[in-house]
Amino acid sequence: TQLLEQSPQFLSIQEGENLTVYCNSSSVFSSLQWYRQEPGEGPVLLVTVVTGGEVKKLKRLTFQFGDARKDSSLHITAAQPGDTGLYLCAGEAQGGSEKLVFGKGTKLTVNP
Amino acid sequence: DVKVTQSSRYLVKRTGEKVFLECVQDMDHENMFWYRQDPGLGLRLIYFSYDVKMKEKGDIPEGYSVSREKKERFSLILESASTNQTSMYLCASSPPWGAEETQYFGPGTRLLVL
Repeated sequence: TQLLEQSPQFLSIQEGENLTVYCNSSSVFSSLQWYRQEPGEGPVLLVTVVTGGEVKKLKRLTFQFGDARKDSSLHITAAQPGDTGLYLCAGEAQGGSEKLVFGKGTKLTVNP
Repeated sequence: DVKVTQSSRYLVKRTGEKVFLECVQDMDHENMFWYRQDPGLGLRLIYFSYDVKMKEKGDIPEGYSVSREKKERFSLILESASTNQTSMYLCASSPPWGAEETQYFGPGTRLLVL
């Protein structure tokens, strides 16, 4: 069974601070996605990374896919209260599958 | 704009009741999913459908069944609701494998079973 471990589970920081969230596995993934979920809503896709070593930027968010395609990180620069939410990583199993494996999430709170 | 809708945002039912959760997508997606989300356990896949009338068990199918009579609609059925089925239920859809792996989620149904 493929598993994705996210850390930390909870993170509470002040506005303007930087943070990094990690998503790790012992399995190789064909691609990895990051979603953000706000309270009372469903997850919304932020980014998909496909190539080992790939780095993608979305404004103040930087996503990296590990060289071996077993891990990923999300770095937020100068966090804002609007970044508050649950961040989920999800991997497409190697060999192809319509199903995704989800991490348990990192709950981020950015205090004004 | 992509849209997945769920029939109810909040639902309160009694133990033993039959519960129907409906999900509709307007993107002509082949794949549809039902998850439940619980604190500390993350998203767990209950059932998955890759075509009309086709279904596949996920990780936690016990106590649930599904129905997909039309491409745009995927229903989750709790045959006899129990208190341990109190949870947030999320529906998602996606294009066929190889096209795009993104799953588009509905807003969720928060179910309380008393």
